[in-house]
Amino acid sequence: EIVLTQSPGTLSLSPGERATLSCRASQSVSSNYLAWYQQRPGQAPRLLISGASSRATGIPDRFSGSGSGTDFTLTISRLEPEDFAVYYCQQYGSSLLYTFGQGTKLEIK
Amino acid sequence: VQLQESGPGLVKSSETLSLTCAVSGGSISSDKWWSWVRQPPGKGLEWIGEIHHSGRTNYNPSLKSRVTISVDKSNNHFSLKLNSVTAADTAVYYCVSNGAWCLDYWGQGTLVTVS
Repeated sequence: EIVLTQSPGTLSLSPGERATLSCRASQSVSSNYLAWYQQRPGQAPRLLISGASSRATGIPDRFSGSGSGTDFTLTISRLEPEDFAVYYCQQYGSSLLYTFGQGTKLEIK
Repeated sequence: VQLQESGPGLVKSSETLSLTCAVSGGSISSDKWWSWVRQPPGKGLEWIGEIHHSGRTNYNPSLKSRVTISVDKSNNHFSLKLNSVTAADTAVYYCVSNGAWCLDYWGQGTLVTVS
């Protein structure tokens, strides 16, 4: 079973700054199988990125995903107030089909 | 597509948790899989299992012995049963539609507390 480790656990930034969130897999993951989600307080998660780099419908272009193999990154180019939330990466596997990282909390500095 | 969970918010320990997910804006018989995901208070996300309208299922191995997911095509909904619950099963339960190797549309979630 592949384990996803996200870093940092908490990221403190100001609106307008650039955010870089990391997701590292314990084994190589196909780029097709890596997704990112945003979860605002009290809300359900929302799909941001699938296939490591493809934005979901309606997601602003300030969100971008990259990476391959075991290292993947979610970048938010210029933070808006509504971007402060928890972010999860997720991979699609074999026996356990969907596994998630533990999350990165993006908070206002 | 919109998804809406329903079911008891309180379940007694050792009993069975039962939830239903109503699908609107799309047919449950489309060529998609449908999942349940849960999130204990203040913690991360755990995938429980999925179902196709044909009735095929896949489950999280750690929960497989206690989980049953079923589909009701006539009412356009799918359901979750989790038996022998304990306090560790207290969580917000989400129903979700599956995209291509991801989970694309989520219900608002429903909190189930095991007492």
